[in-house]
Amino acid sequence: SQQGEEDPQALSIQEGENATMNCSYKTSINNLQWYRQNSGRGLVHLILIRSNEREKHSGRLRVTLDTSKKSSSLLITASRAADTASYFCATPPGGNNRLAFGKGNQVVVIP
Amino acid sequence: DVKVTQSSRYLVKRTGEKVFLECVQDMDHENMFWYRQDPGLGLRLIYFSYDVKMKEKGDIPEGYSVSREKKERFSLILESASTNQTSMYLCASSLSGITDTQYFGPGTRLTVL
Repeated sequence: SQQGEEDPQALSIQEGENATMNCSYKTSINNLQWYRQNSGRGLVHLILIRSNEREKHSGRLRVTLDTSKKSSSLLITASRAADTASYFCATPPGGNNRLAFGKGNQVVVIP
Repeated sequence: DVKVTQSSRYLVKRTGEKVFLECVQDMDHENMFWYRQDPGLGLRLIYFSYDVKMKEKGDIPEGYSVSREKKERFSLILESASTNQTSMYLCASSLSGITDTQYFGPGTRLTVL
């Protein structure tokens, strides 16, 4: 079953703007991951944040995690056309030895 | 860099055919996974393997089987392909933990006619 749910489902922004997307989950987790998928390709891991972390940065990416609200956000700053992709959050649902992926969040960056 | 390769990018098969999808990883990862991805349904786990010759069912194993005879290779088998198995198939691997970072192959788009 899919645990992570991304919001908004689709986002269209101008190049240079920031893009923010959210992910909610239902059960307790020990980590939450974000992945990117370019059209017709495999997923690429972006960042992993552990349950005892509140914020993590990687280049132009910033991820936050609020375990009390069971939610995470991914911020892409100064977006580029190459950031056009689908973004997925993934969590290991409590008691399950697997990753559950959300349905994805389509981001289109207009040059 | 971890490299996960899949045997075909595109594959067209007929109903009832036996289909083999191969996946190879070059980083000595313990765990390997097969997912299918369909519009509106996201990624769904078919099977995974945590060691050579070991396998575990995922969320949608019906109609599929897997084989892991060597650590670097994980095969997905459709014993008798059906049209509802038309999908994008993604292979992934992870180093140690099942829920750690996963590295994906480029995907195989399978069409069953």
